[in-house]
Order: sequence, then structure tokens, then C-alpha cells
Amino acid sequence: SAVISQKPSRDICQRGTSLTIQCQVDSQVTMMFWYRQQPGQSLTLIATANQGSEATYESGFVIDKFPISRPNLTFSTLTVSNMSPEDSSIYLCSAGQGSTGNTIYFGEGSWLTVV
Amino acid sequence: EDQVTQSPEALRLQEGESSSLNCSYTVSGLRGLFWYRQDPGKGPEFLFTLYSAGEEKEKERLKATLTKKESFLHITAPKPEDSATYLCAVQGLGGATNKLIFGTGTLLAVQP
Repeated sequence: SAVISQKPSRDICQRGTSLTIQCQVDSQVTMMFWYRQQPGQSLTLIATANQGSEATYESGFVIDKFPISRPNLTFSTLTVSNMSPEDSSIYLCSAGQGSTGNTIYFGEGSWLTVV
Repeated sequence: EDQVTQSPEALRLQEGESSSLNCSYTVSGLRGLFWYRQDPGKGPEFLFTLYSAGEEKEKERLKATLTKKESFLHITAPKPEDSATYLCAVQGLGGATNKLIFGTGTLLAVQP
């Protein structure tokens, strides 16, 4: 199994600021994803982080608001830009192993509160 | 569009009272169906991946089964430590990525 570490685990942010979340996997993985989980809700995919190229964003999410980097096969970052209270959420990094990525693990999440 | 519906939304069981959680899905070609357990304030914990109708997988008191339209997570003689939210997700064959589409989960409470 893959162990996924996220930093920070929790933060309180001021409105209008930006925060970068880091995701480190303990082994090389074929795919990395970023999800959002709002309080009491299920997981919504923000984007697929592509190694060495631009991320693939889902409908409703844009690069200017959620820039993503993935410089190698074990590391990715998600920035939440110009934050508002509506961005208060848990942000989860996930990673897939294997040629088809059919074992997909999650980090513990980064809980952001925007005030 | 790929879609996942889980039922019931919440389930309360007595310790030892077996039951099943349902996950209905529509997908344009199934690559895999995933079950996760999520405890409050934590990330989802991987349980199973199922690939084709008729497949079953077991882990301790949990058994997952798959048909062409739905999956069941059977919980046999549950214990209070099985209390959690159980999430179902599908991974379709279409598209350029292997993303997971999640249901809204079933919140399971097992009382001693």
C-alpha cells in the first residue's frame, strides 16, 4: 500500500489569501488526484495531477483558483487561491498504483477554515 | 454521466446485527468499483476494489459483492468499532483519467 502524507493537516486562513497544500507519496504512483470534501458531504474531484504537464480539471474548477503542480511521480501541490469562506473544506490528495491505478489511496486530508 | 447512489443514508445497528449497504451505479463501462471506510476527521481508508459482476471480496466482518448495476457491502456481526461512513465509488473506462466518482456515503452506527 501507499502512504500519503499531506501538509498542513489543518489551518485557519484569512479571506483573500492563498494556501498551498503539499502531498507526498512514499512510492512512485501512476496517478495523483485532488478532492474536496465539504462539511457533511461526499468527495468531489477537483483535478487529476499530471506529472510534467498541466492538471486536468473537472467541471466547476479552474486553474486560476486551484493551481496544481506535479513535478515528479511522488509529489504534488494544490494551491487554493484568493480564499473565501466558501472554500472552507477538507482537501484530500489521493494516489493510484498499478498500470490501471486500481488501488487508490487517500491522505489524511488538509482541513482549511477561511475566516 | 457516471453516477453513484448509496442507501441508506444512515443505518443504526445493534452489535451483532448483520446488515447490508447498497451502492447503485451507472457508468459507461466499469473499470472498477471501490469501497472505502471514513472515520470522522480522517481520509478514506481503502477496503476493496471489485472489477466484474459476480466478484466477491472479504475482509474481517465485511464482504463486498458486485452485479452489473449495484454493489453490496455486507457486514456480519458488526462491532462498535465498525461505526464509520462507508463510501462507494466507480471508476469508468471512458475519459482520459482514471478518476473516481463517489456516492454520498452511508453513515453506520453500531451500538453495544
